[in-house]
This record gives sequence, C-alpha cells and structure tokens, in this order.
Amino acid sequence: DTGVSQDPRHKITKRGQNVTFRCDPISEHNRLYWYRQTLGQGPEFLTYFQNEAQLEKSRLLSDRFSAERPKGSFSTLEIQRTEQGDSAMYLCASSLSGGPVGNEQFFGPGTRLTVL
Amino acid sequence: TQLLEQSPQFLSIQEGENLTVYCNSSSVFSSLQWYRQEPGEGPVLLVTVVTGGEVKKLKRLTFQFGDARKDSSLHITAAQPGDTGLYLCAGGQGGKLIFGQGTELSVKP
Repeated sequence: DTGVSQDPRHKITKRGQNVTFRCDPISEHNRLYWYRQTLGQGPEFLTYFQNEAQLEKSRLLSDRFSAERPKGSFSTLEIQRTEQGDSAMYLCASSLSGGPVGNEQFFGPGTRLTVL
Repeated sequence: TQLLEQSPQFLSIQEGENLTVYCNSSSVFSSLQWYRQEPGEGPVLLVTVVTGGEVKKLKRLTFQFGDARKDSSLHITAAQPGDTGLYLCAGGQGGKLIFGQGTELSVKP
C-alpha cells in the first residue's frame, strides 16, 4: 500500500512566479483534500474533491489558487502570482467516502513552499 | 466558524511521566481524529473516535470522545522520548476536518 504522495517536497520561488503542486492519493480513495499549514498552527482546509468534482472551497482559497482533479485520480494545486504570505506547508490528504470509521483522512508528506 | 481549542499548547516533561492533552469545542463533530506530526512531515493518523463516550487505547495512549461529541482527550502513560512531536486533534464536519492548533510535546530522557 503506497500512501499519499506529493511532489515536489520543497519549492523555493520568487514573488510573482506561478507554482504547481501534485498529489497522488491512496489508489482506492475517492476523496482528495488540500490543506495549508503555517508554522505553529494546525492545518487549514482549502478544498476537496469527490472523484473529479470539487465539492467545497474555503474562503482562504483566493482567486490566485486553483485546484483540479481532472480524472478523479491525482490532483494539482496551482498558485499564480505568488506572494510571501503564501509561504507554508501544503498538505494533501485522501479518504474513502462512506468508509467504516468516520471521516478518516490520510495525509501525504506535504510540499513546503518558500516565496522569496 | 467552528473552532477546536487544544490545551496545553506546549508541554515539556521527563521520561516516565503521564500527561493529558485536551481538545474542546462548542460545536458537535461527527467524528474526531488525533494525529501526530513530526517536523517537515505530514500528520500521521493515530485514532478516530465517532461515538459519544467512546474510549480507544493504542498501547500507552488512551483517547476519549466526550459524551456530547464536542470534546476529546489524549492521555499518554509513561511518556517516552519517542512520543515527542506535535499532537493535533481534528473534528469532522461535512467533508472537511477542522484542526486544533496543536500541542507540542517534548519528552526528555
């Protein structure tokens, strides 16, 4: 069983550049989530998909952020015109809707973004 | 906005001591998860509780979900240096999880 994977693990970019992150969920999971975590805080929800449908977006997800899951498998999160305030750990998680035990979400290792 | 308050935020103890971390909210959650996170890594799921009053044990860790499903606690018996890390509680609401701010635990040998 390969868990949730994310690529890249680290990204350093200059302010104003665009970045894209990829997440591959656990293969049998139909739900995929994106969270953002800053130092000293718990993760904050950004958005989630069930299969290819984006079901919910947080108000944190400004119009510079876009997420896709075109075939209901992997997902990408793009940030356009990055700002220093976008520096954070971006976490992806996946789950199986209707699973036997609550809303168990399994997280990937995260992508650490640093905007200079 | 639903909030989960964790306490304490920081805890530094000696190996062998016992400790309890609390997670409180004014909202009802359908489930509550506890995660442990190490620096630079994603959170690792420890346990999920779904029934009010439920108690689950994982070796030296005991998790309890409040009767009203608004609060939870994590108790560690005889803490070891390997227990060091950030402990996060997260409440399930709709599709997403609402996280507490975490408890940073340091266990000194």
